[in-house]
Amino acid sequence: QSVLTQPPSASGTPGQRVTISCSGSSSNIGNNYVYWYQQVPGTAPKLLIFRNNQRPSGVPDRFSGSKSGTSASLAISGLRSEDEADYYCATWDDTLSGWVFGGGTKLTVL
Amino acid sequence: QVQLQESGPGLVKPSQTLSLTCAVSGGSIRSRGYFWTWVRQRPGKGPEWIGYIYDSGSTHYNPSLKSRLIISLDTSKNQFSLKLSSVTAADTAVYYCAGDYCIDGVCSGYDYWGQGTLVTVSS
Repeated sequence: QSVLTQPPSASGTPGQRVTISCSGSSSNIGNNYVYWYQQVPGTAPKLLIFRNNQRPSGVPDRFSGSKSGTSASLAISGLRSEDEADYYCATWDDTLSGWVFGGGTKLTVL
Repeated sequence: QVQLQESGPGLVKPSQTLSLTCAVSGGSIRSRGYFWTWVRQRPGKGPEWIGYIYDSGSTHYNPSLKSRLIISLDTSKNQFSLKLSSVTAADTAVYYCAGDYCIDGVCSGYDYWGQGTLVTVSS
C-alpha cells in the first residue's frame, strides 16, 4: 500500500481535459514539493512535472501540476492518444526519510 | 546530455547478493549537486525508491532496505553500484538507476534514467 494515494485509473477522449489526484499527508505532500512521472509500459519513468508545477524543457504545456495542502493534481488538457500511460506522483516523506511514490494511475484515451 | 546504463546479472539465487552497476556518460559522477539513485519496480507496482549516493560519497537509504543495502561510487569508471544482500523473491523487480540535481535541498526531479534491468530472484 502506497503512502501516496492515486486513483488506479482515469480515462478521457481525445481533446478532453483529465485530472489525476494524489493524496498524502503533512509529512510528505504537505511539507515538500511534488513531482509527476509518466511511464509507458516497458520503459523508464519520464519526469513530467517538478517542484509542484514546473515543466522540464520538452514537456508540452498541455501538462500542468498543482498542489494544495496535502494533495496534488496533474492536469492534462487537449488529450492525445500518446498520453496513454501510467502516471505517478512522488515526493519526499519526512517521517520515512525517503522518497515515496504513489501507486500510479493508468490513463486510457478512449 | 547525461545518460545512464544499468548492467548486472538478470538472475540471482535466494539468500545471495544482488549486484548492479550504473555507468554514467555525458557528465561526471563527481559533479556537485547530483544525487545518483536506485529505484525498483516490482511487476505491476509503482516505483520504489531504494537509495542514493551523492557527489561527496554520502549515502541515504530506504529504511526498509537499509540493513541489506550498499550503494557506492567508482569515480575511476564514472559509475555507481548497488549491492542488496540476502535477497528473496520479493526483491524480484526491474531495477533502474536515476539521477537528480539538487541545490540547497531543492531538487529538480529524476530527469535522468537508465533503461532498467529485470532482476529475478529464483533458485
